[in-house]
Amino acid sequence: SQKIEQNSEALNIQEGKTATLTCNYTNYSPAYLQWYRQDPGRGPVFLLLIRENEKEKRKERLKVTFDTTLKQSLFHITASQPADSATYLCALVPTGGFKTIFGAGTRLFVKA
Amino acid sequence: EADIYQTPRYLVIGTGKKITLECSQTMGHDKMYWYQQDPGMELHLIHYSYGVNSTEKGDLSSESTVSRIRTEHFPLTLESARPSHTSQYLCASSKGGGNTIYFGEGSWLTVV
Repeated sequence: SQKIEQNSEALNIQEGKTATLTCNYTNYSPAYLQWYRQDPGRGPVFLLLIRENEKEKRKERLKVTFDTTLKQSLFHITASQPADSATYLCALVPTGGFKTIFGAGTRLFVKA
Repeated sequence: EADIYQTPRYLVIGTGKKITLECSQTMGHDKMYWYQQDPGMELHLIHYSYGVNSTEKGDLSSESTVSRIRTEHFPLTLESARPSHTSQYLCASSKGGGNTIYFGEGSWLTVV
């Protein structure tokens, strides 16, 4: 079956460290992979998109990698801050597809 | 900042009542979506629309219905609410399939 898996356990890190979140998928051929941030009680907000022919994308303190052989994307936040605490959702659009499919997200806590 | 608005944000209603969740966007997006999300769980697509007079059911079966009479407006209706309908409903839009999805703040529905 098709699945998007993100670590269901919360990630706790110290301020200033790099947070790394993992997204694994099975039985999909994604054309795009996206990362969203969701704060409690709010709608998700788009952060980054990476295409199937791209290995890495950066935006300020954020970096996303995409390994189609491993079927995995890694999302990094460098120099993390307490304000980065949120749930981060991985989402993909299959090749030739229209609908975006979301993972359940990983909760990140950054301690001061 | 996304220009997509949902009302009401919070609603508590009795079983058997009819409710309509409103959603409007001012970005001129042709694609609109309704997702359902329980706390800590993934987003599930329940309805989507390619444009005016187009509506489709999503991946998760839902007893709700939608309409798309105007580009900017995509209301969701429950004819007879039940406690199992208690959830967060997120409206979203995008410029095209597979592109960045912009979410509203969500409508929290509690059926008692």
